[in-house]
Amino acid sequence: SQQGEEDPQALSIQEGENATMNCSYKTSINNLQWYRQNSGRGLVHLILIRSNEREKHSGRLRVTLDTSKKSSSLLITASRAADTASYFCATVSTGANNLFFGTGTRLTVIP
Amino acid sequence: NAGVMQNPRHLVRRRGQEARLRCSPMKGHSHVYWYRQLPEEGLKFMVYLQKENIIDESGMPKERFSAEFPKEGPSILRIQQVVRGDSAAYFCASSPPVGSGSSYEQYFGPGTRLTVT
Repeated sequence: SQQGEEDPQALSIQEGENATMNCSYKTSINNLQWYRQNSGRGLVHLILIRSNEREKHSGRLRVTLDTSKKSSSLLITASRAADTASYFCATVSTGANNLFFGTGTRLTVIP
Repeated sequence: NAGVMQNPRHLVRRRGQEARLRCSPMKGHSHVYWYRQLPEEGLKFMVYLQKENIIDESGMPKERFSAEFPKEGPSILRIQQVVRGDSAAYFCASSPPVGSGSSYEQYFGPGTRLTVT
């Protein structure tokens, strides 16, 4: 299966703390993307990192990519209660268009 | 520019009935993807379509499931003779043509939650 694995499955932190989620994948990729899903809702695209990039920032988000280890991490700094959601990594394999999603990390930020 | 539209948002079907799920991509997007999400799981790719063409249906079950994206109108995901195991959220995503300067980002609709009773 090309589906990625995310770690941890669930994470609970206090507001203001940083949250780190990790994602591993199996195939050669074109890019890796992180999505957020609030309970019962659709997915919202957060950030995309290409295979030739190692780190990317967007606001309070920082994404790293290590293609040698086939892994990525998403860091959310200074978390807020509104960050409570499930976070998924998704990869686009080389030569493909569709996304392969990880199993997700459920983040709970306690006010 | 409206986002990806899906309807219905919720659909209840009895076992053996047919379910038809619709997806209208964002304006200017010619690629449509369907994904299925079981409770507490990530999304699983089902099918990738362009107008009047199925590009990749490797994630689609071989029986009872079909998808189309006609020249005019929305993309349709059709599930015949539904069973309880088909109960899930079905998400549609769209993207602009590859090579148009896009970055493979997909824009997701709100999903259709199918419940089979």
